Amino acid sequence: EAAVTQSPRSKVAVTGGKVTLSCHQTNNHDYMYWYRQDTGHGLRLIHYSYVADSTEKGDIPDGYKASRPSQENFSLILELASLSQTAVYFCASRDRYEQYFGPGTRLTVL
Amino acid sequence: GEQVEQLPSILRVQEGSSASINCTYENSASNYFPWYKQEPGENPKLIIDIRSNMERKQTQGLIVLLDKKAKRFSLHITDTQPGDSAMYFCAASRGQVVGQLTFGRGTRLQVYA
Repeated sequence: EAAVTQSPRSKVAVTGGKVTLSCHQTNNHDYMYWYRQDTGHGLRLIHYSYVADSTEKGDIPDGYKASRPSQENFSLILELASLSQTAVYFCASRDRYEQYFGPGTRLTVL
Repeated sequence: GEQVEQLPSILRVQEGSSASINCTYENSASNYFPWYKQEPGENPKLIIDIRSNMERKQTQGLIVLLDKKAKRFSLHITDTQPGDSAMYFCAASRGQVVGQLTFGRGTRLQVYA
């Protein structure tokens, strides 16, 4: 089965601080995604990547950057964390059709 | 836009009965429609999907129907059990770009005895 891991699993950050969320997949998938989940909003796409060293904006990219240094790793960076970025963040990788989600990172910005 | 509307947001059914969740999409070029189940504190997991060349798909107590004309698809859970209690999300591909999905806002299913 597909293996996608995320770190940290939870984090408390201060407003204005920098936060980096990491994702690692061992499935040799080209596509990787970052979503955020808020109650009542389902999953919303922040950034995605289909090849190393390249990232694309999703639906809600403002306030987020992404980095794909290798096929296995995909990071989400919050340069200046804000209260509104408190959410659960999921990384996913994709084979031909199915997206496989990591366990999620619960981020709380205070 | 690429909205996916999902209803109801909360669904309570008695154990043993059926549960139905409905989704509509906007892009007539969408051709892939997965359903995800998410238990509390867990990640979403694919439970069933359907592609646009099919109208019906069934697996292990789950039925998915697709009406391309109406741009509507639905999940039907037969003989619900307490273990079916969870959040369910529908999604639709963005046009023919299979990997890009737009998710519905989710349905919280509660199965009571």
